[in-house]
Amino acid sequence: DTAVSQTPKYLVTQMGNDKSIKCEQNLGHDTMYWYKQDSKKFLKIMFSYNNKELIINETVPNRFSPKSPDKAHLNLHINSLELGDSAVYFCASSRGLAGGSTDTQYFGPGTRLTVL
Amino acid sequence: DAKTTQPTSMDCAEGRAANLPCNHSTISGNEYVYWYRQIHSQGPQYIIHGLKNNETNEMASLIITEDRKSSTLILPHATLRDTAVYYCIVGGSNYKLTFGKGTLLTVNP
Repeated sequence: DTAVSQTPKYLVTQMGNDKSIKCEQNLGHDTMYWYKQDSKKFLKIMFSYNNKELIINETVPNRFSPKSPDKAHLNLHINSLELGDSAVYFCASSRGLAGGSTDTQYFGPGTRLTVL
Repeated sequence: DAKTTQPTSMDCAEGRAANLPCNHSTISGNEYVYWYRQIHSQGPQYIIHGLKNNETNEMASLIITEDRKSSTLILPHATLRDTAVYYCIVGGSNYKLTFGKGTLLTVNP
C-alpha cells in the first residue's frame, strides 16, 4: 500500500491556467506538508497543515491555495500558473511536530509540473 | 532552525562503508539531527534521527559528537542503490524541516 500518494505524477499546462494537485496519506498522520523542488534541486517547504488547520505558510504567493478536506488529504490548487511555477511538488505527512522525538516526514513520489 | 554544512559530493566503493559528515555548530539543546536521502526523481526518504546518543537502525548508524556540533551518517555496506543526495537537517519545534543542498553520494562498482 502506498503511504503517501499524489496525483497526477506529471502535469503539463499553459501559462495562465489553473490546476490542482492532490495528495492522500493512509498513515493516520495529523500533519501534512507541501514542498517545492525547483530546477536547482532546492527543496523548500510551502505549507503545513495540522488537523486540517494551516500552521505554516512560507511566503508563498496567494495564487497557491492549499485545501485540507480531512486529515488524510491535502490538495494544492494553483491559479494563473506562471513559468516560474515549473518544479516538482512533493507532499509529505508526519504524526505531529516536525523535529519532535518521534516525528518523521514521509514523502510522496512527487508531481512534476511544467508550465509552458 | 540551525544551519548545517555538508560536502557537496562524495564517492564510495560498493560494499564499503560510506561516512557522510555534517557540521551543525549552532544547534540548540532541543534540536534533533535528522538524515534524509533523495534518490533521483523520487521523494525524500527518512533514514535516521538522533538527539544526543548514537543511533542505529536497519538502514544506517548516526554518530553525534559529544558537543553535538557535528554528526556522521554511516552506511555500513554501501550498494549502488544507495547513490542519492543525503540531507542532514537540524529540526526544532516549529513544524519545519529545512533542507539544504545535501551531499551527493555516488557508490561506484
